[in-house]
Amino acid sequence: GQNIDQPTEMTATEGAIVQINCTYQTSGFNGLFWYQQHAGEAPTFLSYNVLDGLEEKGRFSSFLSRSKGYSYLLLKELQMKDSASYLCVPLDSNYQLIWGAGTKLIIKP
Amino acid sequence: IAGITQAPTSQILAAGRRMTLRCTQDMRHNAMYWYRQDLGLGLRLIHYSNTAGTTGKGEVPDGYSVSRANTDDFPLTLASAVPSQTSVYFCASSDGAGSDTQYFGPGTRLTVL
Repeated sequence: GQNIDQPTEMTATEGAIVQINCTYQTSGFNGLFWYQQHAGEAPTFLSYNVLDGLEEKGRFSSFLSRSKGYSYLLLKELQMKDSASYLCVPLDSNYQLIWGAGTKLIIKP
Repeated sequence: IAGITQAPTSQILAAGRRMTLRCTQDMRHNAMYWYRQDLGLGLRLIHYSNTAGTTGKGEVPDGYSVSRANTDDFPLTLASAVPSQTSVYFCASSDGAGSDTQYFGPGTRLTVL
């Protein structure tokens, strides 16, 4: 079967760094997306990794290890507006996105 | 407009009624998608269209139908709504199918009583 494992909820402090881990099992693999979703809003695209390694984009970085079925999203210099759910979304062999419930990140002052 | 729009924003519907959710994009994207999101769960794909004139079934297509008469519009119809179709519905589009990034509309919150 296809499976995504992320923490249900995480708490971090404004200005700090947080790493959201994701392990996945899919039927084939064609890359992995990270999306951000604020409560009551639509998902918005953060990153896409298809090769192993780290992709940095401003305060956000995403890492992928295909052999380990593992990815993480690193958020630096946390701001209150970063309070949201973060969705790890692998793409299977049929190019179908596999959506889980994501990680709810709570930022405290 | 820029991006994807959906209408209505929210709707309360009596069971058994017919309802069409509208989705329009102005990015000239080839592929479009309909998802539902239930509280605490991940998005589930209802139907998709890789290009105008074609449609396909997703993970949870029963009770829903779609059409893709042109590039911009991708309406979702509930022929006879049931309470289990209470959900938030998101429309998305991507330049192509495959690994192209999907961009989402603001969603329609539908309650079926």
